[in-house]
Amino acid sequence: DAKTTQPNSMESNEEEPVHLPCNHSTISGTDYIHWYRQLPSQGPEYVIHGLTSNVNNRMASLAIAEDRKSSTLILHRATLRDAAVYYCILHGGSQGNLIFGKGTKLSVKP
Amino acid sequence: DTAVSQTPKYLVTQMGNDKSIKCEQNLGHDTMYWYKQDSKKFLKIMFSYNNKELIINETVPNRFSPKSPDKAHLNLHINSLELGDSAVYFCASSQDLGRGRETQYFGPGTRLLVL
Repeated sequence: DAKTTQPNSMESNEEEPVHLPCNHSTISGTDYIHWYRQLPSQGPEYVIHGLTSNVNNRMASLAIAEDRKSSTLILHRATLRDAAVYYCILHGGSQGNLIFGKGTKLSVKP
Repeated sequence: DTAVSQTPKYLVTQMGNDKSIKCEQNLGHDTMYWYKQDSKKFLKIMFSYNNKELIINETVPNRFSPKSPDKAHLNLHINSLELGDSAVYFCASSQDLGRGRETQYFGPGTRLLVL
């Protein structure tokens, strides 16, 4: 699985949008871009995934660059509950497992 | 109903003991995983099973032995526990191997402390 690069940490104010970037310049044509997050003392939680087109769900939006070498997870209105480590993961292997990097630790200020 | 459950939540034990962690999923998924998160918070795959068949066995000491009695259960048995085994162990499941499309559902974790 190809590598991803994310900032170590980001800060946001409550109720403001948050844009979490991810670079994946070595992405292959069959890799899906997945985002998971891990709240303190909990297991990782699926957020969103996409292949080429932008995706929206009730939790977030995923904006994928046209060349697919980068993507951005968008939280439209950050809440205190969104404080977590966010992992951007390229997933396309036949073995199914996710390869986690260090992720971005998001802090949300009231 | 909890989708992926693990027992116990906390496990404190002495070096040299043998212990088991149990995982159950009620999602009807075919594939289950064990991940380990160490003190530096890195999450790494240990094992995966698909339809009760071992798919991945990463470079894990053979003191760790997974057992899948049926598709809904994947247990982890650890022999001769060592200090370095202290970590949080997460079980997860997905519909199948999926080739990148599948979402994984994680359990709440088992916090193992070896004294």
